[in-house]
Amino acid sequence: EIVMTQSPATLSVSPGERATLSCRASQSVSSNLAWYQQKPGQAPRLLIYGASTRATGIPARFSGSGSGTEFTLTISSLQSEDFAVYHCQQYNNWLTFGGGTKVEIK
Amino acid sequence: EVHLVESGGGLVQPGGSMRLSCAASGFTFSTNAMSWVRQAPGKGLEWVSTIPSSGGSTYYADSVKGRFTMSRDNSKNTLNLQMNSLRAEDTAVYYCAKDRVGDISVIDNWGQGTLVTVSS
Repeated sequence: EIVMTQSPATLSVSPGERATLSCRASQSVSSNLAWYQQKPGQAPRLLIYGASTRATGIPARFSGSGSGTEFTLTISSLQSEDFAVYHCQQYNNWLTFGGGTKVEIK
Repeated sequence: EVHLVESGGGLVQPGGSMRLSCAASGFTFSTNAMSWVRQAPGKGLEWVSTIPSSGGSTYYADSVKGRFTMSRDNSKNTLNLQMNSLRAEDTAVYYCAKDRVGDISVIDNWGQGTLVTVSS
């Protein structure tokens, strides 16, 4: 099983600032990596797939990068609606999720 | 617009069974793989199972293999998850999810989830 590790567990950021979230795979997943946003009481929402392709309707302030085992989600200028939990997921070998990063207001 | 609506959750005793269903609309159901993903209270997401668009070989997480059975009816746009020999650790919100293509892949749409509680 491919283990996905996200860091940090919690990220405190002020509105308007940049947020950088990391995700590491225990073995290469090529570019088969997705990012999801989840708000309390809601289902996850797809943000990024293929490591760097934004899903339909996702604002340009969200960007993804990386390949192999190291991936990054960057939110260029945090808006109030961006405070949430972010999950990475690999789909190269079955599906596994990281433990999540909570982005909170500083 | 894609719409996925789960039903069938609730309280069940350890060792019991439960059947979840998902009604899909807003897309051509027979062209996409479908998955179940669960989330225990306060925890992260855990993949449970995926069935390809054709309904052929179904994939399961080791934690549910041999206990859960996933099926689909492409004529009715419905998905089912039969859960047997339930354990306390199966307690979670279960999400019905649409894969982006015809086989296991990234999930691009999620239902709102249904809570399954396994407790005596």
